[in-house]
This record gives sequence, C-alpha cells and structure tokens, in this order.
Amino acid sequence: SAVISQKPSRDICQRGTSLTIQCQVDSQVTMMFWYRQQPGQSLTLIATANQGSEATYESGFVIDKFPISRPNLTFSTLTVSNLSPEDSSIYLCSVLTGGDTEAFFGQGTRLTVV
Amino acid sequence: GQNIDQPTEMTATEGAIVQINCTYQTSGFNGLFWYQQHAGEAPTFLSYNVLDGLEEKGRFSSFLSRSKGYSYLLLKELQMKDSASYLCAAGGGADGLTFGKGTHLIIQP
Repeated sequence: SAVISQKPSRDICQRGTSLTIQCQVDSQVTMMFWYRQQPGQSLTLIATANQGSEATYESGFVIDKFPISRPNLTFSTLTVSNLSPEDSSIYLCSVLTGGDTEAFFGQGTRLTVV
Repeated sequence: GQNIDQPTEMTATEGAIVQINCTYQTSGFNGLFWYQQHAGEAPTFLSYNVLDGLEEKGRFSSFLSRSKGYSYLLLKELQMKDSASYLCAAGGGADGLTFGKGTHLIIQP
C-alpha cells in the first residue's frame, strides 16, 4: 500500500488567484495522477505526472490552467491558476502500487473560490 | 475513450446482501477497480480485478467478466457504516482511471 499526504486539506481563495496543492507519498512511485471531483460528481482525471517529463493532460485540461510539477518520485504539486468559482471542487492525487493493482488517494483538497 | 455505467442509488437492509453492478466500454483495459467513498472523504480502495472471476475480501467480493464488459461488487452482512457511494473505475497503468458516476448505497435498519 501507499500513504499519501496531501495539503492543504481545504482552502478558500479569491477569484483570480492561484492555489498550489502538494502531494507527498511514502514510497517511490513512477506515476502520480491528479483528479478533480466536482460537487455531487464522480472523479475526473486531470493529468498524469511523470518524474522527469512533462505531465500528460486529459481532454479539457491545459497546462496553463493546471501546471504540475514532479521533481522526484515521491512528490508532486498541482496548481490551479486564475481561479474562478467554477474551479470550486475537490482535488485529489493518486498513485498506483503493487504492480498497478492498487490505486490509493490522498485525503483531497476542498477548494472554494469566492 | 471509456464509458462506465452503474446505478445511481440503491437501498438495502442491515444484515442483508447487496450487489452493485457496473458495465464498461473501454478502448483499452488494464483492470477494474472498486472504491468506497463516504461523504466529504477521499475514495478508499476496495478491490481490483483484471482476470475473469470472483475476488473475495472479507465481506466484500468483486466479480469481473471481460467478455461482457461487466463487473459487480457484492457486499455481505451489511452494516450501517456501509452507507456510502461506491465507485466503479476502469483503466490503470499510464492512462489513469476512468470513474463511473458512483452508486449511492443507503442502508436501512
């Protein structure tokens, strides 16, 4: 298994600002994933963060809005830029372990944009 | 792309058994995952299936039929704390996971 520490757990941000979310894993993992869960909805993959290369973004998500860093095999950050109320959501990081047979999530960051 | 369907809501009785179904259509397949999510919390990993058949873990079992694009999660001896959303997800590997919309399970006394 993997233990994932994600912070902040929640934040309230002003429109037009940015929020950076950190995700720390207790073991080295090749790929880390960032998801968004909008109110009452299921999870949507934003991007895959690979160490040593640029993140791979899903359709509808762009690097300018959601820049990602992956400086080493245990850490990643997701920034949500130029915030608007529509960005109010829960953001979660995730890793695959056990030969890709188990996927674990951080505790999530609940973002409210006012 | 991936398309995953599961019922929106189910109700069951404490002590009983409930089966939550999931059908999927995927362009690639690395496995089928089930998660439990309580309101306001992150999803908790329950099970993973990549081969056809039944995987049992205590009160929870998960079944997969790859030829039918079908899975189910079976919960036995239901407890009130099992009231939660149950998410079916397909994928894995470098593509991450595609999630269904989740099944909200209500347990009644």
